[in-house]
Amino acid sequence: GENVEQHPSTLSVQEGDSAVIKCTYSDSASNYFPWYKQELGKRPQLIIDIRSNVGEKKDQRIAVTLNKTAKHFSLHITETQPEDSAVYFCAAKDSNYQLIWGAGTKLIIKP
Amino acid sequence: NAGVTQTPKFQVLKTGQSMTLQCAQDMNHEYMSWYRQDPGMGLRLIHYSVGAGITDQGEVPNGYNVSRSTTEDFPLRLLSAAPSQTSVYFCASSYRGDYTEAFFGQGTRLTVV
Repeated sequence: GENVEQHPSTLSVQEGDSAVIKCTYSDSASNYFPWYKQELGKRPQLIIDIRSNVGEKKDQRIAVTLNKTAKHFSLHITETQPEDSAVYFCAAKDSNYQLIWGAGTKLIIKP
Repeated sequence: NAGVTQTPKFQVLKTGQSMTLQCAQDMNHEYMSWYRQDPGMGLRLIHYSVGAGITDQGEVPNGYNVSRSTTEDFPLRLLSAAPSQTSVYFCASSYRGDYTEAFFGQGTRLTVV
């Protein structure tokens, strides 16, 4: 079945710098890759997603890239702000429509 | 439009007690699931359902039961609570399909003493 690995587990960046979180997946049939943000004590919420027929997608300061050949996808956050501090989860939807989750990355924005 | 509603928000149980975590959604989603999230860890799937009357086990089903008698409701039952079940529980729902967003409830923080 599908397996998703996410790195790093913790990422600390200076405010204003960029942050990159990477995920790899194992099932080449997976075709949907969402990213969720979970603030402390809150529920996970979708921030951006990408379909397998697209290489890159941007939404203001957030972008996601997908390399189907290498089976990896990444979240890019530019000009980081304090409110970006959270845990970020990647996921891949497998052929049974189930979301397989990465272990999460705790992003710390240093003032 | 309430989305996904979970109750209760907090619960303390004694070892051996049973209880039901409630989850309801008003978006007519076919797919519903229960996750547990332990400190510093990701989301682990307990049980899921692809429609009324259909349920299946996820990664960590032991000690939990579910049923899906209606599209809207997906309760999670703890049969005999154990300290290892201390966790935050999230219910989620989505349309069944390739590119569908999962919506989460606000979570239930359960402590078993």
